[in-house]
Amino acid sequence: DAGVIQSPRHEVTEMGQEVTLRCKPISGHDYLFWYRQTMMRGLELLIYFNNNVPIDDSGMPEDRFSAKMPNASFSTLKIQPSEPRDSAVYFCASSRGLGLAGGLAKNIQYFGAGTRLSVL
Amino acid sequence: EDKVVQSPLSLVVHEGDTVTLNCSYEVTNFRSLLWYKQEKKAPTFLFMLTSSGIEKKSGRLSSILDKKELFSILNITATQTGDSAVYLCAAHNNAGNMLTFGGGTRLMVKP
Repeated sequence: DAGVIQSPRHEVTEMGQEVTLRCKPISGHDYLFWYRQTMMRGLELLIYFNNNVPIDDSGMPEDRFSAKMPNASFSTLKIQPSEPRDSAVYFCASSRGLGLAGGLAKNIQYFGAGTRLSVL
Repeated sequence: EDKVVQSPLSLVVHEGDTVTLNCSYEVTNFRSLLWYKQEKKAPTFLFMLTSSGIEKKSGRLSSILDKKELFSILNITATQTGDSAVYLCAAHNNAGNMLTFGGGTRLMVKP
């Protein structure tokens, strides 16, 4: 399996522009997670999906951020309009499921290589 | 609110040294604790711990969980320069399928 695939790897944009980050989870994984990582705040969960349905978006910083998962193999995180404080590395991760029955190993999250976003 | 704290924040050692990284957690309905290694890119999975006192081992790395005292340690013996990375600890609760990450320990191994 190719693992979690994110694009683009780097994005440089100007304040006010729309940014769209993309993620393809590992095939067969039912859960997809979007994280943001900064030096100041570490790794923060933004939102996660189960079977393409958003379950918890309490980490989404504000209305400028939105995420969708139109099908099991694709998700987007959009920032509109972008601001300099959005500069960070954005990671997507996926896992097989909620493991109690079937083993806790299903809870292991596998991360993509991340998108480094710079908003000037 | 779930909380995971790692110490030390950073550590510099020489090749061959042994290091111990610490992770304490306060998690409602704790389910498991995970360790990840992050080099320049994505965090990569190392261990999942669910039971107290049972050591998980992979080569020179080992980890153990204490559910009574709410902490875990990650040991690396005979360190190598390739062990240089940020090590992240994350706790998983039963309320959902979310991980709460600690701030990480940045390890630098000098030749």
